[in-house]
Amino acid sequence: AQTVTQSQPEMSVQEAETVTLSCTYDTSESDYYLFWYKQPPSRQMILVIRQEAYKQQNATENRFSVNFQKAAKSFSLKISDSQLGDAAMYFCAYRGNNNDMRFGAGTRLTVKP
Amino acid sequence: DVKVTQSSRYLVKRTGEKVFLECVQDMDHENMFWYRQDPGLGLRLIYFSYDVKMKEKGDIPEGYSVSREKKERFSLILESASTNQTSMYLCASRILGGSSYNEQFFGPGTRLTVL
Repeated sequence: AQTVTQSQPEMSVQEAETVTLSCTYDTSESDYYLFWYKQPPSRQMILVIRQEAYKQQNATENRFSVNFQKAAKSFSLKISDSQLGDAAMYFCAYRGNNNDMRFGAGTRLTVKP
Repeated sequence: DVKVTQSSRYLVKRTGEKVFLECVQDMDHENMFWYRQDPGLGLRLIYFSYDVKMKEKGDIPEGYSVSREKKERFSLILESASTNQTSMYLCASRILGGSSYNEQFFGPGTRLTVL
């Protein structure tokens, strides 16, 4: 079964600085999809960014970008110009051919003013 | 906008009680999911449903059952609540078909405490 590992339980960043959240996964599939979800305190989980494994180009959504290394099975999230509203739990997720979504344990991001 | 709602944000029950967690989505999505979220474990899939009256076990179905009588509603049932079922429960929905790229939309969660 596929597994998703987020090795950083907690991270902190100074406002306006850049932070990178790590995610690795284990799979034998060649086609799959990767996601980063954000869960703000007491609020609903929302999609931040997604990446199709067959695309070599890294996905970007405004201040959020990923570094997708397929051979290394790594999918890190970079947040540029961090804002107070970025404080949240961030979950990395994998979806393969069986359509099940596998989540990592999450990284709690704190943004310091 | 897709809206996924859950019947309660906070729920306190006693051991042995039967507990119903309700989830409703308003975008005609075929797929619906129940997860539980625990610190350090992330989200784990309990059950999912591809369509009305269909259900499939996820990774941790023991102690739970589900019901999907209508497309928009997916209920999670704890037949006899136990303290180890104290957790945050998240419902999600997703449209069927097309690429697996499709996003899952989440409800706000129900924090269940079993005493």
